[in-house]
Amino acid sequence: EVQLLESGGGSVQPGGSLRLSCAASGFTLKNYAMNWVRQAPGRGPEWVSGISVSGDNRNYADSVKGRFTISRDNSNNTLYLQMNSLRVEDTAIYYCTKDYSSGWFDYWGQGTLVTVSS
Amino acid sequence: EIVLTQSPDFQSVTPKETVTITCRASQSIVTALHWYQQKPGQSPKVLIKHASQSAPGVPSRFSGSGSGTDFTLTINSLEAEDVAAYYCHQSSTLPYTFGQGTKLEIK
Repeated sequence: EVQLLESGGGSVQPGGSLRLSCAASGFTLKNYAMNWVRQAPGRGPEWVSGISVSGDNRNYADSVKGRFTISRDNSNNTLYLQMNSLRVEDTAIYYCTKDYSSGWFDYWGQGTLVTVSS
Repeated sequence: EIVLTQSPDFQSVTPKETVTITCRASQSIVTALHWYQQKPGQSPKVLIKHASQSAPGVPSRFSGSGSGTDFTLTINSLEAEDVAAYYCHQSSTLPYTFGQGTKLEIK
């Protein structure tokens, strides 16, 4: 059974940092591109970042470019999102998603809540 | 960035009704359009991939159609468990984008 388990969320002040992790099981992480998608309260999903199988190709939404860094450790079946210079508008549930192919997400984690507030 | 506009934003529905949700893209995305269902308190779940292909395990009452800029999700003979928010998503061009969502409520 495929499982994606996010962790690392929490409350932080504006300007702070958090590192999210996504532990993957039930499939071979190194064979799939992965993404982070967030959803602010009462809003639709927003794609944040994606990483290729090898990790060589990384893409970001303009809203997080230069502040967030996606990475992966295929040997430990884990996806990461380093979030720096956090803003109030980054408050959301952050989901790790598995990219089956061509950019559609066949599995989503349960999400981890990030709250940025003073 | 490609903007996806769904309609309606909200619909009040009755069981066994046929429901149609549309998604319009700001430019052609061929068939790189996918539909997700999100029930309250849950993560989104894929229903339809590449405009018209049902994802594994999805009930046959869900179907998708369209290409280019106009797409449709149809729910035939709606069941009470289908009350949820529905989102379209394009993977034609980065950044990937989602529609604003359509929320279904039972009348």
